[in-house]
Amino acid sequence: DAGVTQSPTHLIKTRGQQVTLRCSPISGHKSVSWYQQVLGQGPQFIFQYYEKEERGRGNFPDRFSARQFPNYSSELNVNALLLGDSALYLCASSLWFQIQGKISEAFFGQGTRLTVV
Amino acid sequence: AQTVTQSQPEMSVQEAETVTLSCTYDTSENNYYLFWYKQPPSRQMILVIRQEAYKQQNATENRFSVNFQKAAKSFSLKISDSQLGDTAMYFCAFMKYAGANSKLTFGKGITLSVRP
Repeated sequence: DAGVTQSPTHLIKTRGQQVTLRCSPISGHKSVSWYQQVLGQGPQFIFQYYEKEERGRGNFPDRFSARQFPNYSSELNVNALLLGDSALYLCASSLWFQIQGKISEAFFGQGTRLTVV
Repeated sequence: AQTVTQSQPEMSVQEAETVTLSCTYDTSENNYYLFWYKQPPSRQMILVIRQEAYKQQNATENRFSVNFQKAAKSFSLKISDSQLGDTAMYFCAFMKYAGANSKLTFGKGITLSVRP
């Protein structure tokens, strides 16, 4: 079975440009979340989508936006890129169910390395 | 808001020995989950072990075990019989289950090097 797939794997953009990152969740997973991981830091939550609805948003500026499609894949868009947006962008998918106190696992993709120059 | 603190930036251990990675967290929640994730150079986050806060028994997964101290809000990871493949960044993470609104809060991570 295919895991979470992200594209592209690497990307170089110039300040002020716009970028779109893509994520395909594991088959059957309806939830996709996005995280930003700056070099040497832990991932920071950006967005959570479930059944095409935004279910959560982290402390990121409005330059960051996302959407989820009917097939549950997702795109993360970042406008007016800044040097500080350089990071690894991780996508995670999950069923997010809880049965008898046990929770389903979140599966991560290999990320998109974005470099802003 | 929840916070997760990993104060050790780097650790090194000899192959076959045991190492413990520390993590503390702060929350006012009573029911939550704690995780340790491994991130090798391939960048993919891999779940190592999870702990349900309502369980007093510490979780174990083969060579990996945790020491969960709820009152102290401490959640350390012990790796026994360290292997070269354990070399990676390790992240401690917290989650309050909220169905489709669930999200993970990560610590800054620790770089673990296993020496041959």
